Amino acid sequence: DQQVKQNSPSLSVQEGRISILNCDYTNSMFDYFLWYKKYPAEGPTFLISISSIKDKNEDGRFTVFLNKSAKHLSLHIVPSQPGDSAVYFCAASDTGGSYIPTFGRGTSLIVHP
Amino acid sequence: DTGVSQNPRHKITKRGQNVTFRCDPISEHNRLYWYRQTLGQGPEFLTYFQNEAQLEKSRLLSDRFSAERPKGSFSTLEIQRTEQGDSAMYLCASSEGRFNEKLFFGSGTQLSVL
Repeated sequence: DQQVKQNSPSLSVQEGRISILNCDYTNSMFDYFLWYKKYPAEGPTFLISISSIKDKNEDGRFTVFLNKSAKHLSLHIVPSQPGDSAVYFCAASDTGGSYIPTFGRGTSLIVHP
Repeated sequence: DTGVSQNPRHKITKRGQNVTFRCDPISEHNRLYWYRQTLGQGPEFLTYFQNEAQLEKSRLLSDRFSAERPKGSFSTLEIQRTEQGDSAMYLCASSEGRFNEKLFFGSGTQLSVL
C-alpha cells in the first residue's frame, strides 16, 4: 500500500525548459513534504520542502506546489539544466505523529543539452 | 567533512553469512534512521533511534535484522543468515529530531548476497 506515489518513472526534458515532477499521497495525516535528489551511487540529498500551511515554496530554480484538497504536490525546475539529471524522490511525513518520512518510488529526470 | 558516513560502501557476501554495517551520523543530530532501497524503489524505512533509544523497529524486515546505537552516537545494522533477497542499498540518515524534519543521508552500503 503505497502512501506516496510517483506515477511517472521517468521524464525527459530539453535544457532550458521546465521540468515538472508530480507526486500524490493518500494519507491525510501527512502535513510536511520534501523532495530529495539522488545521483547514482550516492545517498539522497535534500532539495526543498513545504509545510501543509503553505501552497507554494520557492528556492532559486526549484518551486514546490502543494494542493491539499487533491493530495498532490509537484516540483518545478526552471530552467532545467543537464546537471539536474538525477532521480527525484518525493517524501511525506506526519509531524503530529512519528514524523518518519515515507518516500515515493522516484522519477528519473533526464535533461538533454 | 561532517556529513553522514557509512562503512563499508560495498559488501559482497555469501548466502548464510552475517554482515554488519556502520553509520556515523552528523555529530549534533539526535535521530538516526535506517532505510533500505532496492532497484526501482524509493527508500523503505526500517528503524530509527532517538539518541540511544530505538523507538520504532516493527518495520525491520525480519528477525534476522537488528540495529544498535549503544552510546547515542554511531549505529550498526546487522543482518544474520543473509539471503539473496537482502541484496540492496542500505541507507543511514540523521536529523536534529525537530518539527519539520530534514533527513541527511549517507552514501549507503551496497550489499550483494551471492
